[in-house]
Amino acid sequence: KAGVTQTPRYLIKTRGQQVTLSCSPISGHRSVSWYQQTPGQGLQFLFEYFSETQRNKGNFPGRFSGRQFSNSRSEMNVSTLELGDSALYLCASSLEGVSSYEQYFGPGTRLTVT
Amino acid sequence: AQTVTQSQPEMSVQEAETVTLSCTYDTSESDYYLFWYKQPPSRQMILVIRQEAYKQQNATENRFSVNFQKAAKSFSLKISDSQLGDAAMYFCAYRSAVGGSQGNLIFGKGTKLSVKP
Repeated sequence: KAGVTQTPRYLIKTRGQQVTLSCSPISGHRSVSWYQQTPGQGLQFLFEYFSETQRNKGNFPGRFSGRQFSNSRSEMNVSTLELGDSALYLCASSLEGVSSYEQYFGPGTRLTVT
Repeated sequence: AQTVTQSQPEMSVQEAETVTLSCTYDTSESDYYLFWYKQPPSRQMILVIRQEAYKQQNATENRFSVNFQKAAKSFSLKISDSQLGDAAMYFCAYRSAVGGSQGNLIFGKGTKLSVKP
């Protein structure tokens, strides 16, 4: 079974621009979560989608948004990019269920804002 | 709010030796899950081991085992017979089992493990 995939793997953007990152979960997984990883703040939860609905949201400004499609693929969007948005963005998928709560991570998208 | 603390930013172990990584957490919940994730230099986060809070038995996965002390809110990872491929950042993570926060993993700051040949 294929793992979680994320595209693109690397991205360079300029301040003020917007960016869209994509995540394809493991087949059959309906929950997709997004995390931001930086050297200073570590791993921080952005949001989680389940069955096309945002189920949970972290403490990030409204410039960060996401969505999930009927095939469980998810996208996250960051508008009006700031230098501080430079980070590794990780996507994780989960099967969800009584005994299926582990999250499996993709390789991440490295975003650099200049 | 729940917090996860890893007090050892860096650790080093000799190949074939045993090393223990520490993790403490704070929560008022009684039902939750704990995880150790490994992130090698290539950045792919890999699940190493999991523990359900309602289980008293410590989880074991091959050379990896945990010491789960629920009352002390401690969740350490022991790596036996360390191998060069074990070198990575190790993150301890907490996940609630209740309410709307089920999808939210809370991570510690990580411990960088080096393995000496």
